Amino acid sequence: GQQVMQIPQYQHVQEGEDFTTYCNSSTTLSNIQWYKQRPGGHPVFLIQLVKSGEVKKQKRLTFQFGEAKKNSSLHITATQTTDVGTYFCAGKTGANNLFFGTGTRLTVIP
Amino acid sequence: GAGVSQSPSNKVTEKGKDVELRCDPISGHTALYWYRQSLGQGLEFLIYFQGNSAPDKSGLPSDRFSAERTGGSVSTLTIQRTQQEDSAVYLCASRGTGTTLYNEQFFGPGTRLTVL
Repeated sequence: GQQVMQIPQYQHVQEGEDFTTYCNSSTTLSNIQWYKQRPGGHPVFLIQLVKSGEVKKQKRLTFQFGEAKKNSSLHITATQTTDVGTYFCAGKTGANNLFFGTGTRLTVIP
Repeated sequence: GAGVSQSPSNKVTEKGKDVELRCDPISGHTALYWYRQSLGQGLEFLIYFQGNSAPDKSGLPSDRFSAERTGGSVSTLTIQRTQQEDSAVYLCASRGTGTTLYNEQFFGPGTRLTVL
């Protein structure tokens, strides 16, 4: 069945360091979405990638979709304490369901 | 309200009791999802409703779990004969086809269920 894995599961960084989380799907995706869940909160949509090799930026966040549309990454430059939370990717295969990744929990040490 | 709402926000119950969790999606959203999130874990898909189509129940962990969506709006997730392993946050999300640029899911605040 459809599986979306994320690595690492946890990441601790010093404030100002960069952070990257990787998402891998067992099948080709039609698109991929990224969500952020703050501690104690609920997931909030960040971005959607559709095209093979697509790269999108939101301030310090850079999102990439792999050429084969089976993997994606989220890179945060110069992390801040406000970046703390769990980042989930969610892949879509053409059906209406989104398959959420296992998530990467980011801790930023001030 | 403008967002997805869920009630109750917290529910403590005794093992063996039945519970009902409610989700009010964003008005006009045709798709509704239920997820379960155990402490510090990812999102576990439970069930998906899309308009008048038969729901996708492939994620329900056992026959103790069921969900309804009446009138294409409010949804109720029912857990019968609760077990301690059912303790988790139950999240509801809705999505509206064509209502936003990305057709993303909008999550409610969740119901924290504790089974003693």
